Amino acid sequence: AQKVTQAQTEISVVEKEDVTLDCVYETRDTTYYLFWYKQPPSGELVFLIRRNSFDEQNEISGRYSWNFQKSTSSFNFTITASQVVDSAVYFCALNGYNKLIFGAGTRLAVHP
Amino acid sequence: GAVVSQHPSRVICKSGTSVKIECRSLDFQATTMFWYRQFPKQSLMLMATSNEGSKATYEQGVEKDKFLINHASLTLSTLTVTSAHPEDSSFYICSARDKLAGGPRDEQFFGPGTRLTVL
Repeated sequence: AQKVTQAQTEISVVEKEDVTLDCVYETRDTTYYLFWYKQPPSGELVFLIRRNSFDEQNEISGRYSWNFQKSTSSFNFTITASQVVDSAVYFCALNGYNKLIFGAGTRLAVHP
Repeated sequence: GAVVSQHPSRVICKSGTSVKIECRSLDFQATTMFWYRQFPKQSLMLMATSNEGSKATYEQGVEKDKFLINHASLTLSTLTVTSAHPEDSSFYICSARDKLAGGPRDEQFFGPGTRLTVL
C-alpha cells in the first residue's frame, strides 16, 4: 500500500525563522515520484518540486530546500527565513503508478 | 505552458439539482484527467481517473451514478454532481496529465478548483 504521512498538522513561526516540514512515505514501488505542493487560501495548488526515486540529491531553490532520504523514506521541506507570504497549507505527495497520493497537509502560519 | 482551467470557480445550488464542472487543458492534450475532492481542512482525495474516450475509473466509495465523469476530448473532462445534497459541498479539483508525458508516473497539472455549496 502507498501512504504519505505529514505528522505536523499545524506549525506557527515568526517571520525570518527557518521551518522544516516533514514528510514520510511508504511504497513498494522501486520507481516513484515525490512532490511538494503549496495551497494558499485561494485554494489553487502551486507546484513546488518533483523528485524521482533515483535522484537523492538535495535541492535548493531560493529560500526553499528539500532533503530526500531514501533510507528513511523521508522527503522533508525547509523554508529558510520564512515570510508571511509563505503562510499556506503544504502537501507532500507520492506518485507510484497512475495515482497521486497526498499527505494530510501541514498548515504553516508565519506571523509578522 | 501546462495550464488547466476549471469552470465555474464557484457555484451555489439548491439541494436536488445537478451541477456540471468543466476541466480544460488549455495548451496541451490530456489523455488522462483526474478528479479530486477536498473537504475543509482536509487533504485531497482522488475520486476518479478518466481516460479520453473510455469510462472513468472510480475510487472505492465514490458513487459513479452520483458523480458522472465524461472525458469526450483530449482537452475537456466534465464532472456532473447529480441530485446534489449539502454533504456534496466541497472543493473539487481536477488535474491533467500531458499526452506527451513520460508515463503514468509523470506530473499532473492542477486546475484552480471549483467550490461547490449545496443549500
